[in-house]
Amino acid sequence: GQQVMQIPQYQHVQEGEDFTTYCNSSTTLSNIQWYKQRPGGHPVFLIQLVKSGEVKKQKRLTFQFGEAKKNSSLHITATQTTDVGTYFCAGGGTSYGKLTFGQGTILTVHP
Amino acid sequence: DVKVTQSSRYLVKRTGEKVFLECVQDMDHENMFWYRQDPGLGLRLIYFSYDVKMKEKGDIPEGYSVSREKKERFSLILESASTNQTSMYLCASSQREPQHFGDGTRLSIL
Repeated sequence: GQQVMQIPQYQHVQEGEDFTTYCNSSTTLSNIQWYKQRPGGHPVFLIQLVKSGEVKKQKRLTFQFGEAKKNSSLHITATQTTDVGTYFCAGGGTSYGKLTFGQGTILTVHP
Repeated sequence: DVKVTQSSRYLVKRTGEKVFLECVQDMDHENMFWYRQDPGLGLRLIYFSYDVKMKEKGDIPEGYSVSREKKERFSLILESASTNQTSMYLCASSQREPQHFGDGTRLSIL
């Protein structure tokens, strides 16, 4: 079945440093979604990428979908303490909105 | 705003008990999902449902069953709880994309 690998598992940064998490799928995806889970919270949808090579920005967050639609990345510029949490990618495109989640990257930001 | 409500935030049960986790959504979504979340493993799909009384196995269905008698409610059943089912359980619903999650149930099996 479809597998989605995400690295790194953990990332510790100083406030103001940049952060990137990477996602790789074993199969071509029709779309990829990103979710953020704050400590003690539940995953919350951030964005969906659909097109090959697509790049989307949300303020300090930049999301990319690879040309082959098998990989994706999330880059945060100048991290803030409010960015702490776990970031998940999730590969979509199967039936009924079913997603395959990556393992997640836990981001810690030191003030 | 979509509201997905899970019946319990924390639950403690004993080995061998039959355990029911309930999930209700208020947005008339077709699709509902049950995941378990464990450190380092991300969210793993247990079962999902795309309509009333319809269900499909996810990646880790062993030891679990589900019930969807009404569109808004999706129940996860641990037929005979075991200690390796201690985990955080998350319910989600969607019409297409994205998925909307409940707050989760942290289940401990002693």
